[in-house]
Amino acid sequence: GIQVEQSPPDLILQEGANSTLRCNFSDSVNNLQWFHQNPWGQLINLFYIPSGTKQNGRLSATTVATERYSLLYISSSQTTDSGVYFCAGAMTTDSWGKLQFGAGTQVVVTP
Amino acid sequence: SAVISQKPSRDICQRGTSLTIQCQVDSQVTMMFWYRQQPGQSLTLIATANQGSEATYESGFVIDKFPISRPNLTFSTLTVSNMSPEDSSIYLCSVGQPGGTIYFGEGSWLTVV
Repeated sequence: GIQVEQSPPDLILQEGANSTLRCNFSDSVNNLQWFHQNPWGQLINLFYIPSGTKQNGRLSATTVATERYSLLYISSSQTTDSGVYFCAGAMTTDSWGKLQFGAGTQVVVTP
Repeated sequence: SAVISQKPSRDICQRGTSLTIQCQVDSQVTMMFWYRQQPGQSLTLIATANQGSEATYESGFVIDKFPISRPNLTFSTLTVSNMSPEDSSIYLCSVGQPGGTIYFGEGSWLTVV
């Protein structure tokens, strides 16, 4: 399978700070997604972003498919942004729904 | 978007017993996916469930341990059989469409004692 590498593994931010999370794939993927897992375990889809740039409020994401990486930007962070951020994608030779997940970035936003 | 309900949301189980987790979707979907998330770890795909056919299991997961049913296009169950403490995990189901957003249920937290 593909390897999905996320960096940094941990991030501590002061409220109001900006940050960038990175996701590298060892091979081309389909269906690239970013998720936020809150402290209660719920996994919320942030972006479906196979290529290009998308924005949703204070969050934005950019995928450069030809270079097999994706970035998630958090601006003006809030304590509610705390949790684990995962990127995931499906192998191009596999079913679209069979996602390979990275290890995640644990984000803690302090007041 | 899809609304996915999972039951139970949380349970504490005795070693050696089995537990069935239900996943209900508010719309018809062709494929449903079951994942496991062990404590402090990322998500790992257990199997793909298609309506009307046997589930397809990933390497390291077998039907005897994780039997799956998919009786219709909005519902699936995952059973965790003969549980041991190593089965303590969050179990999640997901749905989506090709080339689109993938959604997860709230997860079922299992603790095996």
